[in-house]
Amino acid sequence: DAEITQSPRHKITETGRQVTLACHQTWNHNNMFWYRQDLGHGLRLIHYSYGVQDTNKGEVSDGYSVSRSNTEDLPLTLESAASSQTSVYFCASSEGQRGSSYEQYFGPGTRLTVT
Amino acid sequence: AQTVTQSQPEMSVQEAETVTLSCTYDTSESDYYLFWYKQPPSRQMILVIRQEAYKQQNATENRFSVNFQKAAKSFSLKISDSQLGDAAMYFCAYRFRDTPLVFGKGTRLSVIA
Repeated sequence: DAEITQSPRHKITETGRQVTLACHQTWNHNNMFWYRQDLGHGLRLIHYSYGVQDTNKGEVSDGYSVSRSNTEDLPLTLESAASSQTSVYFCASSEGQRGSSYEQYFGPGTRLTVT
Repeated sequence: AQTVTQSQPEMSVQEAETVTLSCTYDTSESDYYLFWYKQPPSRQMILVIRQEAYKQQNATENRFSVNFQKAAKSFSLKISDSQLGDAAMYFCAYRFRDTPLVFGKGTRLSVIA
């Protein structure tokens, strides 16, 4: 069955370190998204991609970067981790064709703690 | 920019009763999608129900139904015959074509036995 996975599921890191969160989907979806979830804020968009070599900034992109070298993967990098980036991170993917339901499929989330 | 507002941070309902969660949104588009997602303690985001804006008929999925008022930009979720397993965070979300989802801040639903 097609799925979307994230790794690691839990991560503790120190302030200033570079961290990369992995996202892998086997739906063959063109569109991929990264969100962060914080209490009182719901889910907020960090970065997204509509296909290979395409990346776009979202609402809260400062301090994060992504790259899309193939259809299946969209890794999220925290260049220099800060305590404000302690959060739960969700990856999602969806079809891009007009006429689809545009439903997004979510990964299980990664809980990141920056100490 | 599109916004989604959930005005009820917390709600509670007695088991077997009915509860309605509110959601309003702001958009200048006419063709879009609205969603309700459930997030149980496992953190997994689960799609509950979906509404296409060009359809006047309200979507229904078993015990879950919506009241979609396009002119008022309102999209409420009704849960009938509430069960203990319905306890979760519920997020309302908006999407125009294949752009990213815009989420509300969520409503935490408790179910009382």
